[in-house]
Amino acid sequence: AQSVTQLDSQVPVFEEAPVELRCNYSSSVSVYLFWYVQYPNQGLQLLLKYLSGSTLVKGINGFEAEFNKSQTSFHLRKPSVHISDTAEYFCAVTPRGGGNKLTFGTGTQLKVEL
Amino acid sequence: SAVISQKPSRDICQRGTSLTIQCQVDSQVTMMFWYRQQPGQSLTLIATANQGSEATYESGFVIDKFPISRPNLTFSTLTVSNMSPEDSSIYLCSVGAWDNEQFFGPGTRLTVL
Repeated sequence: AQSVTQLDSQVPVFEEAPVELRCNYSSSVSVYLFWYVQYPNQGLQLLLKYLSGSTLVKGINGFEAEFNKSQTSFHLRKPSVHISDTAEYFCAVTPRGGGNKLTFGTGTQLKVEL
Repeated sequence: SAVISQKPSRDICQRGTSLTIQCQVDSQVTMMFWYRQQPGQSLTLIATANQGSEATYESGFVIDKFPISRPNLTFSTLTVSNMSPEDSSIYLCSVGAWDNEQFFGPGTRLTVL
């Protein structure tokens, strides 16, 4: 079984400041990792994913994440946030070859302020 | 990518009634899933909707409460039966892609009074 821990339930940040949203996972097998964003009253949209290869993954809207196998982490970063980045961010994992079933973290609410 | 629509987008229902949520995909897909997102919470997988056979339910979810149909490769329904206020949630369907990505529908926001 897999589990995902998002250490911060809320992250307030000023516009144009950098941000890091933390994600750690636990699994007895190799996994694929994902970050999804949920804007208010909307469904989930994929930000980025790590399947294999380079551990630094770039996604949409200027976000990137780095897979660290030894620390079982997949932290999400953006060097300069915008008001429009205010949303809920979910980290998720699925086991390799495990049929697509996603396990989600509890989410981090990113609030960007002027 | 897949385009997914859900009906209804939201509903307010009375305790003890049932609601059927529809999920339509614009292309044929093998894997379809139903998730629940309770207020202020993360997403929890309810079941995998299998075409031509019974759905596969996760621990804590049963067919009598959440019957699922999957008549073809582009459509599925989830019924929330004998509802109580604890069933107030957002219900989302998703489809799996070849590279393990999932595409999500916009969700159905359910309030049970």
